Amino acid sequence: GQQVMQIPQYQHVQEGEDFTTYCNSSTTLSNIQWYKQRPGGHPVFLIQLVKSGEVKKQKRLTFQFGEAKKNSSLHITATQTTDVGTYFCAGAGNMLTFGGGTRLMVKP
Amino acid sequence: AAGVIQSPRHLIKEKRETATLKCYPIPRHDTVYWYQQGPGQDPQFLISFYEKMQSDKGSIPDRFSAQQFSDYHSELNMSSLELGDSALYFCASSPTTERSRGTQYFGPGTRLTVL
Repeated sequence: GQQVMQIPQYQHVQEGEDFTTYCNSSTTLSNIQWYKQRPGGHPVFLIQLVKSGEVKKQKRLTFQFGEAKKNSSLHITATQTTDVGTYFCAGAGNMLTFGGGTRLMVKP
Repeated sequence: AAGVIQSPRHLIKEKRETATLKCYPIPRHDTVYWYQQGPGQDPQFLISFYEKMQSDKGSIPDRFSAQQFSDYHSELNMSSLELGDSALYFCASSPTTERSRGTQYFGPGTRLTVL
């Protein structure tokens, strides 16, 4: 079955530093979604990427979908304490197959 | 805007007891998904329903069953509870127009603790 993996598992950054999480799938994805889960909260949909090589931006967040549609990345520029949480990629089909998530911790 | 509602938010049960979790999707969302998230883990897909019929099945134990009712709310029934069932249980919903895209809106979750 489809497997989705994320690295790193944890990331500590100083406020103002950049952050990147990488997502890799064992199979070609029709599309990929990114979710953010704050501590004690529920996953919140951020974005969906569909096209090969697609790049989308949301303020300080940049999402990329690989040319082969098997990998994706999320880059946050100049992190803020409000960025704290776990970022999940999810291979999307009839169900979501989540990557393990990257837990981001930001030191003020 | 209306969100997915889950009840109860917290539930404590003893081993071998049963539990029922309820999910009320966003109005006009006809697809419901159930996920289980253990401590420090990512959500694992359990089961989904579309138009009151089971549409996909994931890693749902045989001790668990679920259904979607005519008003589109869903219930997850868990029997013979085990310590390992302690987890956050999320329900998510999506409307037909977005189903093919897979965009899901998650509820706040039910935290189940089995003692």
